[in-house]
Amino acid sequence: QSALTQPAAVSGSPGQSITISCTGTSSDIGTYSFVSWYQLRPGEGPKLLIFDVNDRPSGVSDRFSGSKSGNTASLTISRLQAEDESDYYCASFASSNSVVFGGGTKLTVL
Amino acid sequence: QVQLVQSGPDIKKPGASVRVSCKASGYGFLAYGVTWVRQARGQGLEWMGWFDPTNAKPHYAQDFLDRVTMTTDTSTTTASLEMRNLTFEDTAIYYCARGGRLHWFDSWGQGTRITVSS
Repeated sequence: QSALTQPAAVSGSPGQSITISCTGTSSDIGTYSFVSWYQLRPGEGPKLLIFDVNDRPSGVSDRFSGSKSGNTASLTISRLQAEDESDYYCASFASSNSVVFGGGTKLTVL
Repeated sequence: QVQLVQSGPDIKKPGASVRVSCKASGYGFLAYGVTWVRQARGQGLEWMGWFDPTNAKPHYAQDFLDRVTMTTDTSTTTASLEMRNLTFEDTAIYYCARGGRLHWFDSWGQGTRITVSS
């Protein structure tokens, strides 16, 4: 199972919105609505931001939102803040009862 | 609160085996699966497999099928990952995570750094 494709890096200024794409195939994102997004900071375990494409766990800011179209999922962060600077990963349930992750995107807040 | 606390870092020689433990607390251990994910230096996250509590069986990613064993001990609410025949490419941070089957992972361990070095 190949990794999902994410841009290596994105950037934005405080207050702006950014979107991170995550492209898969018909064996994962295209078929299943089990896409999740994680924030990974150095020295910490990943933090779940979005599950089931566009649901947020309690306690996650509503500045984070998710969507999906065809084989591509997206994470949008609105009203960008300095604390959002981090690495972000998408993941999808895939055929053969497996999980595939994206390669990760480094977000820089300018 | 939900917590997953992993064992400490380890250094192994090529060809050796390693065991990483993950102590769970704060929730019904049998109600959720435990997934294992790793991140090699400079690389993305890689799903290794999970332990399904509904049938008490492990399911491994294809790339790890013949080298890993995932177990759980319900008496101590501890999940374990054993990896055999280590190579330099296995140098990574290994994470355990609580999951709603394979749809999402809402609590993660702090990570265990495993270094394979001669």
